[in-house]
Amino acid sequence: AQSVTQLDSQVPVFEEAPVELRCNYSSSVSVYLFWYVQYPNQGLQLLLKYLSGSTLVESINGFEAEFNKSQTSFHLRKPSVHISDTAEYFCAVSDRGDKLIFGTGTRLQVFP
Amino acid sequence: KAGVTQTPRYLIKTRGQQVTLSCSPISGHRSVSWYQQTPGQGLQFLFEYFSETQRNKGNFPGRFSGRQFSNSRSEMNVSTLELGDSALYLCASSREAGAQYFGPGTRLTVL
Repeated sequence: AQSVTQLDSQVPVFEEAPVELRCNYSSSVSVYLFWYVQYPNQGLQLLLKYLSGSTLVESINGFEAEFNKSQTSFHLRKPSVHISDTAEYFCAVSDRGDKLIFGTGTRLQVFP
Repeated sequence: KAGVTQTPRYLIKTRGQQVTLSCSPISGHRSVSWYQQTPGQGLQFLFEYFSETQRNKGNFPGRFSGRQFSNSRSEMNVSTLELGDSALYLCASSREAGAQYFGPGTRLTVL
């Protein structure tokens, strides 16, 4: 069975500092990997995805994640965070893109 | 292109009642999935529909059901509501395979 582990439930950082949100997955088959962001009282927004090809994927707002098959990881990074990045971030895995298995989420809190 | 829409956004029901939630996918997306989000259990997969057929189902009791129409719009129904059914219900749509795009959710409160 597939599973996702997000070890950090909360990550506090100061504005303009770098951040890494960790995600490890477990799966016996090839996977698709995703990061979603959720702002208060909203649904999930797709941040970035790995389906195939380059193991480094980037979003339009400066986030990037690298698929590491040997370490079964898909950590999310941003070199310089903004106050507006404060939100809940979810890592998810799927073997065919239909049923998503989510991690428990990481609350990123950016302080001025 | 319009995103995924869900109606209603908020709903209050009492125990024992039933409820129907609606989801309209992104135009051209034929797959619709439903998820339940609660503080205790997190995000859990309910079921997925493709071309009016349930293709995948999560580990929820039979009180939770759904369907998809020929225009890809989907509904989910919860019968005999329990207090523990209070949650944010999220709908997502996608093409055949790939990323899922979520709607704003329906916040269900069961009193």
